[in-house]
Amino acid sequence: AQSVTQLDSHVSVSEGTPVLLRCNYSSSYSPSLFWYVQHPNKGLQLLLKYTSAATLVKGINGFEAEFKKSETSFHLTKPSAHMSDAAEYFCVVRPYNAGNMLTFGGGTRLMVKP
Amino acid sequence: GAGVSQSPSNKVTEKGKDVELRCDPISGHTALYWYRQSLGQGLEFLIYFQGNSAPDKSGLPSDRFSAERTGGSVSTLTIQRTQQEDSAVYLCASSLESGRVSEQFFGPGTRLTVL
Repeated sequence: AQSVTQLDSHVSVSEGTPVLLRCNYSSSYSPSLFWYVQHPNKGLQLLLKYTSAATLVKGINGFEAEFKKSETSFHLTKPSAHMSDAAEYFCVVRPYNAGNMLTFGGGTRLMVKP
Repeated sequence: GAGVSQSPSNKVTEKGKDVELRCDPISGHTALYWYRQSLGQGLEFLIYFQGNSAPDKSGLPSDRFSAERTGGSVSTLTIQRTQQEDSAVYLCASSLESGRVSEQFFGPGTRLTVL
């Protein structure tokens, strides 16, 4: 069985400071990993995805994530937060043998202070 | 082009009534998914359609839930005899294919409130 744990339900940063959203996964097989963002009253949008190519993945809006197999982690980072980054972020796993089902983490709400 | 659309955006119903939620996927996308987002359970997979194959219903929480996809395009999620615990945002997504790396594009969701 696969699972995803987002270690922080809320993260608060000041504008211009780095962002770190933590995600750990468990999966029996090589997974695909994704980060999605959900702005208020908007649909989920894909930020980036890991598919067993490069372990450092760059996404939209300056976000990136590093796949670390030894730590079973896929943390999301951004060097400098912007007010528009305030949203809920979901770490998502799709194991190799799980067909098309996505398993979502519980979400991390990012707040950005001016 | 147009994204995934869902209707209605909000639905308020009384306990025991049936509801139908609609999803229009992106044109040309062969795979369609339904998820539920609720406070207590987070985001859960419900059901998946791929072309003309039998749907993967492994995530449906009870036999009160069912879904159809007509003509390989529009999908309807039906909840019979709604209960208060069915209150949630129901999200639909579609993708070009069913490969494990294909991106799922999500609609804005239907917020269902069962009184």
